[in-house]
Amino acid sequence: GENVEQHPSTLSVQEGDSAVIKCTYSDSASNYFPWYKQELGKRPQLIIDIRSNVGEKKDQRIAVTLNKTAKHFSLHITETQPEDSAVYFCAATGGNQFYFGTGTSLTVIP
Amino acid sequence: EPEVTQTPSHQVTQMGQEVILRCVPISNHLYFYWYRQILGQKVEFLVSFYNNEISEKSEIFDDQFSVERPDGSNFTLKIRSTKLEDSAMYFCASTEDRAGEAFFGQGTRLTVV
Repeated sequence: GENVEQHPSTLSVQEGDSAVIKCTYSDSASNYFPWYKQELGKRPQLIIDIRSNVGEKKDQRIAVTLNKTAKHFSLHITETQPEDSAVYFCAATGGNQFYFGTGTSLTVIP
Repeated sequence: EPEVTQTPSHQVTQMGQEVILRCVPISNHLYFYWYRQILGQKVEFLVSFYNNEISEKSEIFDDQFSVERPDGSNFTLKIRSTKLEDSAMYFCASTEDRAGEAFFGQGTRLTVV
């Protein structure tokens, strides 16, 4: 089955700086890669996603890049704000189930 | 915006008891999932369900677990005889397409004592 690895597990940045979280996957059949933000005690919420036929996608301060050859994808958050502090999960799927990374706890220091 | 809803939000049960966790997926979604998250750990897949049958299940989803869609709206997860290690947050999710955006419910925190 698929194996998704995520790094780093924790990340602290100063407000206004950029944050980058990286994930790798193993199954070349995976074709959809969502990123979820989970605030403490709340449900995971989709923040951005990318499909295998796209290399990069951007939505305001958030962008995701995908390298299918290397089987890795990354989340980029620019101009970070304190409300960006949360746990971020990457995921990969080729169909039946979503395989999640282990999560990155992002802290934005005011 | 449509939401996946789960009940109860918190369930405390004694070891060995049966529990049923309930979910109402988004109405036009066709694929349903149960995930669990042990405190501080990643979200783990339990089972996916499509066309009134299980599509895929993980090693966690043993004979103590079952899922059902008893009517057109509810999707339930039953744990037959709970163990201490079943304590976790259980999330239901649904998607419209096979590999589409997954919408998660707010979760049911199960505590087995």
